Amino acid sequence: DGGITQSPKYLFRKEGQNVTLSCEQNLNHDAMYWYRQDPGQGLRLIYYSQIVNDFQKGDIAEGYSVSREKKESFPLTVTSAQKNPTAFYLCASSMGSMQETQYFGPGTRLLVL
Amino acid sequence: AQSVAQPEDQVNVAEGNPLTVKCTYSVSGNPYLFWYVQYPNRGLQFLLKYITGDNLVKGSYGFEAEFNKSQTSFHLKKPSALVSDSALYFCAVRDFGTDKLIFGTGTRLQVFP
Repeated sequence: DGGITQSPKYLFRKEGQNVTLSCEQNLNHDAMYWYRQDPGQGLRLIYYSQIVNDFQKGDIAEGYSVSREKKESFPLTVTSAQKNPTAFYLCASSMGSMQETQYFGPGTRLLVL
Repeated sequence: AQSVAQPEDQVNVAEGNPLTVKCTYSVSGNPYLFWYVQYPNRGLQFLLKYITGDNLVKGSYGFEAEFNKSQTSFHLKKPSALVSDSALYFCAVRDFGTDKLIFGTGTRLQVFP
């Protein structure tokens, strides 16, 4: 899992609640990504950021929001608008060019109470 | 649109036997291809990648992959499987427009003693 940390490991969300997942990296990577993993569907991109103070929507951004105020941090908020949030969430980072490898954090499992 | 396919949900192999996990891709232009491994409740670990050059790519833990342009394949191989290789394996291709990784649905490898 290298220099990428995610917290918490498990997170429980109540109905109508917003929750925030933390992702921090000490690899000096420019780009950061959030993926959602559901059984049998592989990983799907939620948001990504190639530079501080800038980010783009991925394939399934609805119900999620992000910020990139610091190079090393890329928190993901799961809002109450996300009706099916139960999943495994993975954060990744890379140097940013197309040839560079994306390295992943250990993940956060979000469960709905 | 770029995509990858992993045609097998599960591959079973006896310890000591060679293993192959299949991946085919569809891209416009030259592909950037990646293999990752995921152990239960963990993030993805990078195994190897093909960017350009030699069609046989060597990676971590004794794994290798063969890039075949005519068959649009990038199969993961290992000469002698270990029980500890049992995990979920993902093939991915880089999307040139967005820099994101497009993942296959994953193949579960089960190595029996």
